[in-house]
Amino acid sequence: GQQLNQSPQSMFIQEGEDVSMNCTSSSIFNTWLWYKQDPGEGPVLLIALYKAGELTSNGRLTAQFGITRKDSFLNISASIPSDVGIYFCAGLSYNQGGKLIFGQGTELSVKP
Amino acid sequence: GAVVSQHPSWVICKSGTSVKIECRSLDFQATTMFWYRQFPKQSLMLMATSNEGSKATYEQGVEKDKFLINHASLTLSTLTVTSAHPEDSSFYICSGKNGAGSTEAFFGQGTRLTVV
Repeated sequence: GQQLNQSPQSMFIQEGEDVSMNCTSSSIFNTWLWYKQDPGEGPVLLIALYKAGELTSNGRLTAQFGITRKDSFLNISASIPSDVGIYFCAGLSYNQGGKLIFGQGTELSVKP
Repeated sequence: GAVVSQHPSWVICKSGTSVKIECRSLDFQATTMFWYRQFPKQSLMLMATSNEGSKATYEQGVEKDKFLINHASLTLSTLTVTSAHPEDSSFYICSGKNGAGSTEAFFGQGTRLTVV
């Protein structure tokens, strides 16, 4: 089945630094989604990408849908302590009946 | 974004008993609902997909007789863990989509199940 490789697995950064994480796949996705999950909570949708090459921003967050449709990245600029959490990429393929396939997650720690 | 409410947020039960988890879409009609299981520090593992009024489709390796899913209305889906065992202890999360063509899924808050 389809798999997403998300990296890095974890990041420890200083407040104010920029962060970048990415996901790659061996197969094509029609939609890429980025979620953030706080401990003990469900994932919250951050950004949705629908077209190859699309670059979308949501405040300090920017994400891009790769041209090949096999990858996506998420950037967080000027990180703050509340950015702490686990970030997941998720790909949706019509061939999979609309199921979301999740990456392994990137755990972000921000030092004040 | 759309709101999905999941209850309870945590539950402790004895081995051998059954536990029901509810997932409600509050401001949209969730024609499709997904149930996930998540172990600590790991990603979400899809257990099953349910479409309103139809039988759920289970992922490989998920016991359909153990994890009963009902999606009787467009706003409510339930997951019942039957004859629970300690190894069923986990974080269970539901998500809903509005329509087969929808590409955004919204998640509930999750349920922490502990079987003792």
